[in-house]
Amino acid sequence: AQSVTQLDSQVPVFEEAPVELRCNYSSSVSVYLFWYVQYPNQGLQLLLKYLSGSTLVKGINGFEAEFNKSQTSFHLRKPSVHISDTAEYFCAFGSARQLTFGSGTQLTVLP
Amino acid sequence: GAGVSQSPRYKVAKRGQDVALRCDPISGHVSLFWYQQALGQGPEFLTYFQNEAQLDKSGLPSDRFFAERPEGSVSTLKIQRTQQEDSAVYLCASSLGQGNQPQHFGDGTRLSIL
Repeated sequence: AQSVTQLDSQVPVFEEAPVELRCNYSSSVSVYLFWYVQYPNQGLQLLLKYLSGSTLVKGINGFEAEFNKSQTSFHLRKPSVHISDTAEYFCAFGSARQLTFGSGTQLTVLP
Repeated sequence: GAGVSQSPRYKVAKRGQDVALRCDPISGHVSLFWYQQALGQGPEFLTYFQNEAQLDKSGLPSDRFFAERPEGSVSTLKIQRTQQEDSAVYLCASSLGQGNQPQHFGDGTRLSIL
């Protein structure tokens, strides 16, 4: 069975500082990994995806993630955050018929 | 707009009532998914359609939950004899196909059972 673990439930960070949101997965099949962002009272918006190829994936809003097969990780990074990045972030594993989500990380950017 | 549309955005019902939640996927998207998101949690898979065929309903928590997509476009999630534990946000997503195609989500329906 596949599962996704987000190691930090809350991450506070000051504006313009770098941030890393951690995600680990377990799976015995082909790996498709995603990061989604959810703003209050809204649905999920795709930030980036890893399907195959280069292990460094660049997404929207300056975010990037690195797929590490040996460590079964897919951590999300941004070199300099903005107040507007405050939101809930979800890592997800994709199989043929569904997404399996982690429990989410609340990123709060402080002025 | 061109995104996934869900209605109503908010629904309040008394315990024991039946509710129906609607999802309009992105035009041309073959696959449609329903998820349940409890407060403070990540979404959990409920069911999956490919066109009008319901190929996976393994996530439906009980036989009170029923989903349909009769013409391969709009989908309805119905919950019969609602209970308080059904209170959650119900998210609908659609994609061009299965596997590695990204899913596009609607804003959800927030269901509150009193």
